[in-house]
Amino acid sequence: DIQMTQSPSSLSASVGDRVTITCRASQSISSYLNWYQEKPGKAPNLLIYAASSLQSGVPSRFSGSGSGTDFTLTISGLQPEDFATYYCQQSYSAPRTFGQGTKVDVK
Amino acid sequence: QVQLQESGPGLVMPSETLSLTCTVSGDSINTYYLNWIRQPAGKGLEWIGRIHTSGSTNYNPSLKSRVTMSVDTSKNQFSLKLSSVTAADTAVYYCAREQRIAPVGNGYYYYGMDVWGHGTTVTVSS
Repeated sequence: DIQMTQSPSSLSASVGDRVTITCRASQSISSYLNWYQEKPGKAPNLLIYAASSLQSGVPSRFSGSGSGTDFTLTISGLQPEDFATYYCQQSYSAPRTFGQGTKVDVK
Repeated sequence: QVQLQESGPGLVMPSETLSLTCTVSGDSINTYYLNWIRQPAGKGLEWIGRIHTSGSTNYNPSLKSRVTMSVDTSKNQFSLKLSSVTAADTAVYYCAREQRIAPVGNGYYYYGMDVWGHGTTVTVSS
């Protein structure tokens, strides 16, 4: 199985900040990497697929990069609605695996 | 607009079988995977497994011996059964559609879980 490791587990930020979350795969997954946003009491929402492609309807302040084993999710200009937990997930092979999540809260 | 809705008992006795249904509305079941994911309170997402609309399955190795998934295209429904449950199986259970989002080339595609149900809470307790 491919293990996904996110860092940090949590971070505190302010509105307007640039936030970066990293995700590392235990083996190369090319660009088969998705990012999801989860808010309390709501189901996760697909933000980015193929490591860097924005899902329809997702604001352009979200961006993703990376390939192979190392990936990054960046939020450029954090907005109040962006305080949430973010998960990476590999779509390279089954079983699908998620990172442990990164909670972004208010500084 | 495709929507997914999980349903099933909110309380299951230890050692019994948890049974959930995911009903698809807004479209007929086409060619995609239906994933089951769970989330214990305060914890991260755990992938349980998935079933293709053709009926092929992939399961989490840690749960494989206890999991059965099926699809009923005539009812637009998918089902999950998890046997011999314990308190550790208490969680919010989600179903999520996983489909091709973009081509990679050479017949390969990028996949993503683009539609999720709202989730249903299952508690294992006597």
